[in-house]
Amino acid sequence: SQKIEQNSEALNIQEGKTATLTCNYTNYSPAYLQWYRQDPGRGPVFLLLIRENEKEKRKERLKVTFDTTLKQSLFHITASQPADSATYLCALRRAGGFKTIFGAGTRLFVKA
Amino acid sequence: EAQVTQNPRYLITVTGKKLTVTCSQNMNHEYMSWYRQDPGLGLRQIYYSMNVEVTDKGDVPEGYKVSRKEKRNFPLILESPSPNQTSLYFCASSREGFSYEQYFGPGTRLTVT
Repeated sequence: SQKIEQNSEALNIQEGKTATLTCNYTNYSPAYLQWYRQDPGRGPVFLLLIRENEKEKRKERLKVTFDTTLKQSLFHITASQPADSATYLCALRRAGGFKTIFGAGTRLFVKA
Repeated sequence: EAQVTQNPRYLITVTGKKLTVTCSQNMNHEYMSWYRQDPGLGLRQIYYSMNVEVTDKGDVPEGYKVSRKEKRNFPLILESPSPNQTSLYFCASSREGFSYEQYFGPGTRLTVT
């Protein structure tokens, strides 16, 4: 069956460092991979989308890579700040399809 | 302001008592979806709709119904709620053919006793 795995353990880093979060998937061929941020008690908020024919996407301090051979996406936050502390979710979708599959998310804590 | 609204935000009910959670978006989005979120399981898609009168099952549709009679509204119906439907529910919408960015509502916390 289709499966998405994100680090279930929380990631703790020091302010100013780069946070790297991983999203691995199996039995799936996504055309689009998205990253969302979710704060406690709130709905997820879209951050970035990367397509299967793109290797890397950047937006301000955020960078996403997509390796369809390894079936993996990496999400980087550079110069991290305490305000970046949240849960980060990855989501996959096939081309022409309408189903979306989400990972369980990785909790990030950035210490001042 | 572009937004997705859900009502109610909190609901405690008893087993078997039919309920409806409403969802409305003001962005003229074609695509709408319902998810449930449970600890350790993440967001799981219940149903989605590609446009008016077009709906399809997600990964966990059992025990739920939906309808899409108007583009802006996508209610979630629990005909006979059971305790295993206790969860946090999110509605989302997106514009197809662009970034597929989903806009999420604030969530509805449902407890079935």
